[in-house]
Amino acid sequence: RKEVEQDPGPFNVPEGATVAFNCTYSNSASQSFFWYRQDCRKEPKLLMSVYSSGNEDGRFTAQLNRASQYISLLIRDSKLSDSATYLCVANNNNDMRFGAGTRLTVKP
Amino acid sequence: DVKVTQSSRYLVKRTGEKVFLECVQDMDHENMFWYRQDPGLGLRLIYFSYDVKMKEKGDIPEGYSVSREKKERFSLILESASTNQTSMYLCASSDRGGFGPTDTQYFGPGTRLTVL
Repeated sequence: RKEVEQDPGPFNVPEGATVAFNCTYSNSASQSFFWYRQDCRKEPKLLMSVYSSGNEDGRFTAQLNRASQYISLLIRDSKLSDSATYLCVANNNNDMRFGAGTRLTVKP
Repeated sequence: DVKVTQSSRYLVKRTGEKVFLECVQDMDHENMFWYRQDPGLGLRLIYFSYDVKMKEKGDIPEGYSVSREKKERFSLILESASTNQTSMYLCASSDRGGFGPTDTQYFGPGTRLTVL
């Protein structure tokens, strides 16, 4: 079983749609969590950290449920430029475990 | 901005060749990492280092070695390249810590290695 699991998608949504990605992690000792974005043939780049209380950055909202070991990312009002692969990450003292990613395509 | 650079974006080598992948970061980060990324498998940790001359095996160290002679530079070595080492190789760095929501890793642009 993978340590971090994500639905690989692909998610194909129209512009303006709201889309949600889910992720589960198996290591209950994980201390911090992140969402990365990776464009085709590029490196992963940090999108946002995930805080216990949930946090929002513009159109993006991240939630963490430690009891269920579950992380989510919500994207509102999708833009064409949101098309990418989104990687979920669980970190335990610099041991970062990456999900395989969820691919999103936003269409006009 | 954190800058992590890798020596090559694309590399083609032959089976049995010794391959060096170089990574340099300019943010005085203590921690450096080497991953490989393959479709459907995500990122897998090969080796990491928390300090100069220090190295630790990750999940898939077989067939690889590393060198960290200077804080800013972390090299990945394929002693005898094989076709199953064809992959995207990503270097990352992070500051000392590793617990909190700001202790994240910053990646280089990646090296796409093909072994023929």
